[in-house]
Amino acid sequence: SQQGEEDPQALSIQEGENATMNCSYKTSINNLQWYRQNSGRGLVHLILIRSNEREKHSGRLRVTLDTSKKSSSLLITASRAADTASYFCATGPETSGSRLTFGEGTQLTVNP
Amino acid sequence: GAGVSQTPSNKVTEKGKYVELRCDPISGHTALYWYRQSLGQGPEFLIYFQGTGAADDSGLPNDRFFAVRPEGSVSTLKIQRTERGDSAVYLCASSLTADSPLHFGNGTRLTVT
Repeated sequence: SQQGEEDPQALSIQEGENATMNCSYKTSINNLQWYRQNSGRGLVHLILIRSNEREKHSGRLRVTLDTSKKSSSLLITASRAADTASYFCATGPETSGSRLTFGEGTQLTVNP
Repeated sequence: GAGVSQTPSNKVTEKGKYVELRCDPISGHTALYWYRQSLGQGPEFLIYFQGTGAADDSGLPNDRFFAVRPEGSVSTLKIQRTERGDSAVYLCASSLTADSPLHFGNGTRLTVT
């Protein structure tokens, strides 16, 4: 079963706009990670936020985590056509090692 | 340095045949993972190695699936008596430690006809 569920499933925006993707999960976590996948390629790690953190930044990326609501959001600011990809959240469980459980992803399209 | 390498990139096989998929992790990475991804879905966990041993194989769907990592580096995912439902992209990832982010290969696209 999927631990993370991304919302929306698909998002289409214009270059320069901001893109926000959300992730909800069900069980307690140690950390939450966001990955990006271009078509036909493997996943690329973007950012990791630990359960005791509320917000993290990396370049144009901003991630928030609300453990009380079991949700996270990924914000990409000033989007570019090259940001077009699928974005997945993945949760690291609190107790059972480092197995990551991925959601079904958000397909982001940035139109030039 | 080199990333995670998976071979072959594509594999077409007939139903009932045996296949082996290979993963070369990043040198020095102790943790290695296999995931399976169907079209339009997120990766589904199969098995996780810490060193040579399988620390968590709870994601293997049935006993037709088996994976090894005999020297703590290269890993092979083995699928016996393949079925059409096994068709998917099989992704391998490695990480420096159990708590580090994952580095993924580009996957092996398996098609069972």
